[in-house]
Amino acid sequence: AQTVTQSQPEMSVQEAETVTLSCTYDTSESDYYLFWYKQPPSRQMILVIRQEAYKQQNATENRFSVNFQKAAKSFSLKISDSQLGDAAMYFCAYRSAITGNQFYFGTGTSLTVIP
Amino acid sequence: DVKVTQSSRYLVKRTGEKVFLECVQDMDHENMFWYRQDPGLGLRLIYFSYDVKMKEKGDIPEGYSVSREKKERFSLILESASTNQTSMYLCASSSGTSRTLTAKNIQYFGAGTRLSVL
Repeated sequence: AQTVTQSQPEMSVQEAETVTLSCTYDTSESDYYLFWYKQPPSRQMILVIRQEAYKQQNATENRFSVNFQKAAKSFSLKISDSQLGDAAMYFCAYRSAITGNQFYFGTGTSLTVIP
Repeated sequence: DVKVTQSSRYLVKRTGEKVFLECVQDMDHENMFWYRQDPGLGLRLIYFSYDVKMKEKGDIPEGYSVSREKKERFSLILESASTNQTSMYLCASSSGTSRTLTAKNIQYFGAGTRLSVL
């Protein structure tokens, strides 16, 4: 099974600053999808951003962008101009484009935004 | 908007009780999932289903079973609840058949059920 590693259990950032959350994964496949999900306190998990492995261009969604390094199997999330509403647990996830429908999640990074 | 609805937000049960957690999605998704979320362990897959009456074990199926009699509904069953099953349970759904995926195949999550077994 693929493994997804988030090595930062907790991170903090000052409001309006930039923070980067790390994610690495292990796979022998060449075609897959990567995701960042956000889970605010006591609220529903929602998708933040996704990346197709065959695309070299890094995905961007407003203040959220990724740094996808396929050879290094790294998929970090950058949050620019951090806002109080960005405080949440962030999960990195992997899904094969070839075999099965299963998603593999990291253990999460808890982000605190300091006013 | 996709809607994934879990029947209860909070549930308190006694050890040995049979517990049903229900999940309904309204987007005609083929795939449905049950995860368990514990601090420091992230999301761990219990079971998933890619079609009606089809199921596959995830990483931690022991002590759980599932039922998918209708496409929109996926139930998680704890046959005899134990205290180590106290946790947050998340249901999710996604589109796609068992072996074909598209770039739109993201997972949509329910709000979660926090289960306490006393």
